[in-house]
Amino acid sequence: GAVVSQHPSRVICKSGTSVKIECRSLDFQATTMFWYRQFPKKSLMLMATSNEGSKATYEQGVEKDKFLINHASLTLSTLTVTSAHPEDSSFYICSARRTSGRAGGIDTQYFGPGTRLTVL
Amino acid sequence: GQQLNQSPQSMFIQEGEDVSMNCTSSSIFNTWLWYKQDPGEGPVLLIALYKAGELTSNGRLTAQFGITRKDSFLNISASIPSDVGIYFCAGRRTNDYKLSFGAGTTVTVRA
Repeated sequence: GAVVSQHPSRVICKSGTSVKIECRSLDFQATTMFWYRQFPKKSLMLMATSNEGSKATYEQGVEKDKFLINHASLTLSTLTVTSAHPEDSSFYICSARRTSGRAGGIDTQYFGPGTRLTVL
Repeated sequence: GQQLNQSPQSMFIQEGEDVSMNCTSSSIFNTWLWYKQDPGEGPVLLIALYKAGELTSNGRLTAQFGITRKDSFLNISASIPSDVGIYFCAGRRTNDYKLSFGAGTTVTVRA
């Protein structure tokens, strides 16, 4: 299967600081990546769609100025949690969309290993 | 995205038993995906389904895309301890690039 990496795997930071999380598709190009947040024992909650070369699309209720997304290349998207607070502590997971490029073909998402953010 | 109805929520099974879980939706989907997530890790893709009625296997795993395009099931045969984890279904509607997820099925295997 396709490989998606995330860095860092876990980060602890002080309240008020900013944290950047990187998501890379290692063996395919992804024009679209996604950022999810997962609470304990819950399913994945889509935060935003990261589009290469254009602005991210945020889900309702997600503050775009707090969760900055940049998709500068076909293999890298970054999520920056600005002025982090304890309530931002969570498990953040990215995914990269892989398609065959033709209608009715392969269209799936491969997930990264996740980043555990703890804000003190 | 729209939440899918995934059941059961959890199951305790004996090693060697077969496991079955399913997802249903009120909407028609053109893609069904099944993922497994271990604690502290991201979901790993198990099986992808793209055609109604499609039956696909991956080792001891078998999944089917329901003929109505509103449901899918995943079977695990002869379960082993490493099958422990949370299984998520995900679906995509036509002309939608986003996935909808089920709430997950937690599988615990008794040795």
